[in-house]
Amino acid sequence: DAKTTQPNSMESNEEEPVHLPCNHSTISGTDYIHWYRQLPSQGPEYVIHGLTSNVNNRMASLAIAEDRKSSTLILHRATLRDAAVYYCILSPSGNTGKLIFGQGTTLQVKP
Amino acid sequence: DAGITQSPRYKITETGRQVTLMCHQTWSHSYMFWYRQDLGHGLRLIYYSAAADITDKGEVPDGYVVSRSKTENFPLTLESATRSQTSVYFCASRVVLAPPNEQFFGPGTRLTVL
Repeated sequence: DAKTTQPNSMESNEEEPVHLPCNHSTISGTDYIHWYRQLPSQGPEYVIHGLTSNVNNRMASLAIAEDRKSSTLILHRATLRDAAVYYCILSPSGNTGKLIFGQGTTLQVKP
Repeated sequence: DAGITQSPRYKITETGRQVTLMCHQTWSHSYMFWYRQDLGHGLRLIYYSAAADITDKGEVPDGYVVSRSKTENFPLTLESATRSQTSVYFCASRVVLAPPNEQFFGPGTRLTVL
């Protein structure tokens, strides 16, 4: 399974944009890039996913590098509720849906 | 409300005892998963199931047993609990359709083995 590398922690101010980076230099052509987040004392929740093109949804945007070796999760206006551990995960298409979680990035949001 | 539930939410047991953690989902999702999360770490896959009566091992299956006689239920059994199995256990499910692999997670069961 291809691996991802994320910073251990990041800080942001409330209502400012946050860019969470993820490196995945060994990504294969069929790997989807997923982002999940885990709020304190809760199970993970899906944030966004993409394959090649940038993606937007109501929660966030996902910017994928042209060579697909890195990606960035963008929270456009961080709120205190966005404080969580963010996981960048690669998952091949057509597989069982197994997700291999790394350590993730702990995001702190300051008021 | 439809969703994925886990029971119990908290459990304290002793070394050597058998413990069963329950997971129930109301979506009729084909795939179900069990993960464990140790303090300060990411989740690790224990077992997963593609459908009723089909199960397979994940990253850390030793010491655990699963069954899936009905689509909606996926119990996880620790046959003889050990202290190293103290952890938070999450169940998840997803549809069998093509990507994306969005999984829906339960609220977790916090298990302490004394």
